[in-house]
Amino acid sequence: KNQVEQSPQSLIILEGKNCTLQCNYTVSPFSNLRWYKQDTGRGPVSLTIMTFSENTKSNGRYTATLDADTKQSSLHITASQLSDSASYICVVISSYNTDKLIFGTGTRLQVFP
Amino acid sequence: DAGVTQSPTHLIKTRGQQVTLRCSPKSGHDTVSWYQQALGQGPQFIFQYYEEEERQRGNFPDRFSGHQFPNYSSELNVNALLLGDSALYLCASSPEGMNYGYTFGSGTRLTVV
Repeated sequence: KNQVEQSPQSLIILEGKNCTLQCNYTVSPFSNLRWYKQDTGRGPVSLTIMTFSENTKSNGRYTATLDADTKQSSLHITASQLSDSASYICVVISSYNTDKLIFGTGTRLQVFP
Repeated sequence: DAGVTQSPTHLIKTRGQQVTLRCSPKSGHDTVSWYQQALGQGPQFIFQYYEEEERQRGNFPDRFSGHQFPNYSSELNVNALLLGDSALYLCASSPEGMNYGYTFGSGTRLTVV
């Protein structure tokens, strides 16, 4: 069964600190992996999209990594800001069905001053 | 260039009633997908529309139906509302065959009382 698991479920950090969120997947065959940021009550916003051949991709203070061999991805947030408080969702797409997104349950990040 | 637009933003309905949610895709996108996101959960795929036809469907009862219009906009209809239908309903659009272009709307928050 195609699954996407994220850890931790929730995370609290102080403003200015770094953090790393994890995503493990069993989706096969793999097409691409995306990280989304979702503010409470709002739609997800794409942070990065990574294909099989990409190991690292950055978007400002967000850096995503992908190890397609171990089927793991991480999202590293540098110098966190209060506005980073949100849910971060890992989404994987299988090349078998590129129209369907397979969502992880997300990591709820709270940044405190 | 407007992104994905959903209306209304919030809605309160009574059990047993019917509701219609609307979505206008991003310019240049012709495929629309609908998701249900319960509080604290990841989005669950309802169905996808392309060329005015339902192309894929998730594990949702027939009470959930949809429509796509010639201008690619879409409606989600839910009949005989249950308390458990309370959720954030997300619409996502993409260009056909280009899942990299997936863009989400801000969602409609439906509360059933």
